[in-house]
Amino acid sequence: DGGITQSPKYLFRKEGQNVTLSCEQNLNHDAMYWYRQDPGQGLRLIYYSQIVNDFQKGDIAEGYSVSREKKESFPLTVTSAQKNPTAFYLCASSNQGNEQYFGPGTRLTVT
Amino acid sequence: GENVEQHPSTLSVQEGDSAVIKCTYSDSASNYFPWYKQELGKRPQLIIDIRSNVGEKKDQRIAVTLNKTAKHFSLHITETQPEDSAVYFCAAIVSGGYNKLIFGAGTRLAVHP
Repeated sequence: DGGITQSPKYLFRKEGQNVTLSCEQNLNHDAMYWYRQDPGQGLRLIYYSQIVNDFQKGDIAEGYSVSREKKESFPLTVTSAQKNPTAFYLCASSNQGNEQYFGPGTRLTVT
Repeated sequence: GENVEQHPSTLSVQEGDSAVIKCTYSDSASNYFPWYKQELGKRPQLIIDIRSNVGEKKDQRIAVTLNKTAKHFSLHITETQPEDSAVYFCAAIVSGGYNKLIFGAGTRLAVHP
């Protein structure tokens, strides 16, 4: 699986609840990323992190939050402020200037 | 801001034919251009990449060409097979650090037996 895991694979939540998606990697990569993918569309960057305790907003950060307390972990919280949270969420990691490896994704459904 | 445009959005070919997908990027300082293949419900996987110091790279039936002057790069798949059917994404790295990639919107390729 390339050493990057996401859990759970499927997640169901009621509107108004915050939810946290897990992403872990054992590839010793410095950088980690969160993307959102909607049906029939490309990947849009939510947040990214180059090093521990540092992260930057991507193109669609509103309604999301992240933390990077450990090199191996980059959890994403989808808050109640995110207006359309139902989507496929992909985590990725890389070293500088090289290929991004993707996790298997979490499909989040909010009703 | 930085942007990558990808065409066509859908592509249908007969088995054995060639397929070409084209991308244009806006950041003239970009120097790394990967291509990902995503099968339905699965993660994107890198199939080939190219750096700005080369103009073409091949890996069996797959090739990528890069024209830095025109800021174009293309994916070429020869002798297509039904298992090539998937969504393909191009991407370009954004200059300024952080290894940030901007992705194209994707091309859905269907290879018919």
